[in-house]
Amino acid sequence: RKEVEQDPGPFNVPEGATVAFNCTYSNSASQSFFWYRQDCRKEPKLLMSVYSSGNEDGRFTAQLNRASQYISLLIRDSKLSDSATYLCVVNGAGSARQLTFGSGTQLTVLP
Amino acid sequence: SQTIHQWPATLVQPVGSPLSLECTVEGTSNPNLYWYRQAAGRGLQLLFYSVGIGQISSEVPQNLSASRPQDRQFILSSKKLLLSDSGFYLCASRLGSGNTIYFGEGSWLTVV
Repeated sequence: RKEVEQDPGPFNVPEGATVAFNCTYSNSASQSFFWYRQDCRKEPKLLMSVYSSGNEDGRFTAQLNRASQYISLLIRDSKLSDSATYLCVVNGAGSARQLTFGSGTQLTVLP
Repeated sequence: SQTIHQWPATLVQPVGSPLSLECTVEGTSNPNLYWYRQAAGRGLQLLFYSVGIGQISSEVPQNLSASRPQDRQFILSSKKLLLSDSGFYLCASRLGSGNTIYFGEGSWLTVV
């Protein structure tokens, strides 16, 4: 089993739609969680951290379920500019290396 | 906030040639530094990380090496490139083990 698994995608949605991505992680000792966005042929950029109580940033909502070991990202009112690959990132306990990236889910928002 | 400079942005190298990718970080001190590779359509693979000057940990055995001659400088090298070394190489920086990671703009390497 992969340490971090994401929805296979790709997701093709119309503009204005709501879309949700899920991500599961295998290490129950994982301590922090993030969603990154990566545009085509560009570096990943932090979209938002994920907090235990859930958090919202404009049209984006992230949630964490420690018991089930998954995190989610909800995008409301999708824009064309939301088209990108979304990476789930999990930080394990302790050492500097333990930051694991999911393989990403590709989103295309259609006009 | 920290800024990560990475160069060259793009390079095409013949098989068997050497490689040197450089990364410098501004706006922070004593960061953890990382080299990742992303093959086409695939996830990020951690190659090396460093917690301090001269301290390098290798994640994947291969013909690549890394060095950290200064606190905010990280170099990825190879003596002889293979075709399989082609990919998108990303330098990254993180302050401490609990914080978010930031990436340089990446270097596209094509080995021909």
